[in-house]
This record gives sequence, structure tokens and C-alpha cells, in this order.
Amino acid sequence: EVNLVESGGALVQPGGSLRLSCAASGFTFSDHSMNWVRQAPGKGLEWVSYIGNSGSITHYTDSVKGRFTFSRDNAKNSVYLQMNSLRAEDTAVYYCARGGTYDFRAFDIWGQGTMVTVSS
Amino acid sequence: QTVVTQEPSFSVSPGGTVTLTCGLSSGSVSTTYYPSWYQQTPGQAPRTLIYSTSTRSSGVPDRFSGSILGNKAALTITGARADDESDYYCVLYMGGGSWVFGGGTKLTVL
Repeated sequence: EVNLVESGGALVQPGGSLRLSCAASGFTFSDHSMNWVRQAPGKGLEWVSYIGNSGSITHYTDSVKGRFTFSRDNAKNSVYLQMNSLRAEDTAVYYCARGGTYDFRAFDIWGQGTMVTVSS
Repeated sequence: QTVVTQEPSFSVSPGGTVTLTCGLSSGSVSTTYYPSWYQQTPGQAPRTLIYSTSTRSSGVPDRFSGSILGNKAALTITGARADDESDYYCVLYMGGGSWVFGGGTKLTVL
């Protein structure tokens, strides 16, 4: 069964750091790009970051550039989102989402999400 | 800044047909934006419905279809059922490894 499981969400103070993980199973991980998508409480979905299948290419939404770093370890079938200088507006459920098998521009498999709360 | 527009809410009768749209604040949506559509119920992760404008994701019933209508992407649901009551999101690929989601449409079936 194809599956993505996020972990690492927590309550953190403004200015703090957090590292999210997403473990993949049930498919050839190194064949797929991956993404992080977040959803603030009561709000819509927001694309956050992309990483290519080899990890050499990353992209970020403007609001997180310079603060977040997306990486992957294909040997461990996992991706990571290092989040620094966290702000209240980063509070959200963070989903990892697989780039589509037939079209990397789609997100075809989603994890269940992990909650990040930035508050003092 | 690019804004992707969706109807905030929509209502459909059971068995009816509804078309949700996905537009741009400036310009037209075309297949080159590779629009995709996602369904989300409260407390759950999104579910992929449609990608590349009109391709149904695995396991998605053919009651769901995607297209370009005029200058917008569209998601049409035919034979609406009670369990179609959800939030629906479109996302457009803006190129250069960047995506923008619409604000979502809350669909009520009643």
C-alpha cells in the first residue's frame, strides 16, 4: 500500500525551529518528486515547497524562502522540512504530498498531516 | 501576485449536476497551467480527483470530470451524492516549480 506518514509537528515559540519528516512506503520513492502543502486552521491549502526526485532541485513559496529547507534521503525513503525563524503565520497542518506518477505537477498521494503551532 | 479564484460556496441537489470553476485574477486558465482538483472533508487529508485538466486519479468515479470552460478550469460533478459534500480545491502550476491553490469551494448537497 502506498503511504506517506508525517511526523515532527509540535508547539514552538516564535523564532524557534522545527524539523518535519515524511516517511514513504509502497512505491519507488526515488522516482518521485515530493512537496509540502500546509493548511492554516480554518483556511485553504497553500503549497509550500517542492523537491525533485534526486534532491538537487528545490523550490519554495516566497513567504518561507530563506527560512525553510526541504531535503530528502532516498536511502531512507524520507523527506524533511527544516523550519527556522518560525512565525505565528506558519501555524498550520503540514501535509507531504507525492508528485504525480504521470504528471509531477499534480499531487497524487497525501499524508495525514502533522500540526505545527507557533505561539508563545 | 497571482490569485486563483474559486466560488466560496455552492449548493447542489442530490442527483443533480454542479460545475465548480477555477480562474485567475488576471488572465485565462489553460491546459498549460495543468489544473488539478482535490476533495477534502473536515479533519481529513485532501484526496486527488483530477490532474492535468481532465485526467481522473485512480479510483475516482466518472461522475467527476475536469475541463476548461471559457477562461477557467472546471470540475463537474454529475449525479451528486450526499458524500460529495466537501471542500474542493483547484491548484494551478505557475511554472518554475511553483503552484498556487485556489481558496476552495465548500459544496453543500441538499
